[in-house]
Amino acid sequence: EPEVTQTPSHQVTQMGQEVILRCVPISNHLYFYWYRQILGQKVEFLVSFYNNEISEKSEIFDDQFSVERPDGSNFTLKIRSTKLEDSAMYFCASRGGARGSYEQYFGPGTRLTVT
Amino acid sequence: QKEVEQNSGPLSVPEGAIASLNCTYSDRGSQSFFWYRQYSGKSPELIMFIYSNGDKEDGRFTAQLNKASQYVSLLIRDSQPSDSATYLCAVNPGSWGKLQFGAGTQVVVTP
Repeated sequence: EPEVTQTPSHQVTQMGQEVILRCVPISNHLYFYWYRQILGQKVEFLVSFYNNEISEKSEIFDDQFSVERPDGSNFTLKIRSTKLEDSAMYFCASRGGARGSYEQYFGPGTRLTVT
Repeated sequence: QKEVEQNSGPLSVPEGAIASLNCTYSDRGSQSFFWYRQYSGKSPELIMFIYSNGDKEDGRFTAQLNKASQYVSLLIRDSQPSDSATYLCAVNPGSWGKLQFGAGTQVVVTP
């Protein structure tokens, strides 16, 4: 069964450093998302991406964040200058483009620890 | 502030019994509704989705939607210890598909 994959599974970085989190969505999916979950808190939407551009972003997704689909398979989230409060699980999700189909499938996540 | 509300639990259920989970949402324009299961330290796993009022059954799971009452529920029949997890209710408010999540209900199935 196709699945979303994410690398790395765990990233430790120092405050102020740049990190890139990588995702490979399900191959025929057209809509891509990033979410995060701070330990013990709700899953929060960050950004949605469709047709090579951001379609929607949350208040969390400020100028420190960017997303890119550099080729036909990868989807990346970059945090330019990490802060302690960026420590969280980051989930990539994707969904197909079929009419009336809105189901999103999540990857296993990347645990980001900022020290 | 648009909200998705769930009882946090824990909901303790004897093995073989029915677990009943509830979720309310505030955005009346929401169109699609999802239940995800999340084991500790893992990612959300989609177990049910429902788009129309009424009931939808898939194996041991039944989702129920009442848009007029802004209420969605999940029933788990014949609960198993492996069903012990946190169940997340998620709502698509009708934009580009972003999901708004509740805080989750922890379910504990006791043998």
